[in-house]
Amino acid sequence: TQLLEQSPQFLSIQEGENLTVYCNSSSVFSSLQWYRQEPGEGPVLLVTVVTGGEVKKLKRLTFQFGDARKDSSLHITAAQPGDTGLYLCAGGDFNKFYFGSGTKLNVKP
Amino acid sequence: NAGVTQTPKFRILKIGQSMTLQCAQDMNHNYMYWYRQDPGMGLKLIYYSVGAGITDKGEVPNGYNVSRSTTEDFPLRLELAAPSQTSVYFCASVGNTIYFGEGSWLTVV
Repeated sequence: TQLLEQSPQFLSIQEGENLTVYCNSSSVFSSLQWYRQEPGEGPVLLVTVVTGGEVKKLKRLTFQFGDARKDSSLHITAAQPGDTGLYLCAGGDFNKFYFGSGTKLNVKP
Repeated sequence: NAGVTQTPKFRILKIGQSMTLQCAQDMNHNYMYWYRQDPGMGLKLIYYSVGAGITDKGEVPNGYNVSRSTTEDFPLRLELAAPSQTSVYFCASVGNTIYFGEGSWLTVV
């Protein structure tokens, strides 16, 4: 049973397009994190959101935490080939972090 | 400052063999975690520890054991390796942010 469901599982788009990745759960989390992972490497933290309704921007990436702290979205504007990778969300539950199944993004030049 | 160090990086085990994956951090973090990641998937929590002498099960603890005799070290033990344990294993520790090791690729044949 996956505590965190991510959608879509796979996304292949052209450079310059916009996209949104979703992370949903039936559980409430104290914090939610987004990571990007490249093949053969460990996940790299992009952002942490802790307040319901919070929106954070990181250059072309916009992260939103749902009001009820059960879901989150990652929006990328004008995607570039360098954005290619596996995007993971992780929910913080006091001592533990549970990861979603990931969204594999491929941005074609 | 080495961060989180995992050894070995790669290992091939035969079914039924035992081995220990080592994890060490030099940041004096209390919280440490072991995850496994199957190809193209998210990370699943195996075990975690909130401090020396304290460990607890995560989502997928069966077939594994851990110990935390010091703050720095958090080894993961596989007692009777099975093909289902073929995976990439990541150790992590948490301070102001989460730090991942570089991963250990384990194949059980």
